[in-house]
Amino acid sequence: DVKVTQSSRYLVKRTGEKVFLECVQDMDHENMFWYRQDPGLGLRLIYFSYDVKMKEKGDIPEGYSVSREKKERFSLILESASTNQTSMYLCASSFRDRDTDTQYFGPGTRLTVL
Amino acid sequence: QKEVEQDPGPLSVPEGAIVSLNCTYSNSAFQYFMWYRQYSRKGPELLMYTYSSGNKEDGRFTAQVDKSSKYISLFIRDSQPSDSATYLCALSSGGYNKLIFGAGTRLAVHP
Repeated sequence: DVKVTQSSRYLVKRTGEKVFLECVQDMDHENMFWYRQDPGLGLRLIYFSYDVKMKEKGDIPEGYSVSREKKERFSLILESASTNQTSMYLCASSFRDRDTDTQYFGPGTRLTVL
Repeated sequence: QKEVEQDPGPLSVPEGAIVSLNCTYSNSAFQYFMWYRQYSRKGPELLMYTYSSGNKEDGRFTAQVDKSSKYISLFIRDSQPSDSATYLCALSSGGYNKLIFGAGTRLAVHP
């Protein structure tokens, strides 16, 4: 059974703080993703990684960075948190299937920036 | 125009009803179609996966893809209160191309 875990379920931070969100998967998946989910907007891709030390920008990378030093771990960093980054953050991972990548999600981190 | 359109609902039905959830899309390159279910305060979980056109059935759930109309559906038979969740469609053109998600439809099944 695929397991994707995220370091916190709920997080409250202040404007300007540096925030680290951690994601770990235990299925030896090559691919990892960070999304944010907002009401009415669905899931929006922030960054993704197809391999260790590799990263690609998604649709909304501004204000975020990522780090992938080990295959099982993918970190999302908010360099200077702002109130408009209050959201649900979801991590996902996938194996490289022959045809497509079926993504498996973690439970999410609900971040509030005050 | 969004690549994927999905009615956000909410959709409220009585227990036992047949539920139809739908997405329309604009990119004819999409070949892989998925439905995810997301319970409140949880991450999405994969429910159904379909390649190209046609139907796929899994218990009370049927996924249908009509590529000519660019329209996908998820049917739930004999709906249960435990089916109350948000359902998201997700589409991909395959390979290294990313998944494109619909905004999700909130479903409430009342006893």
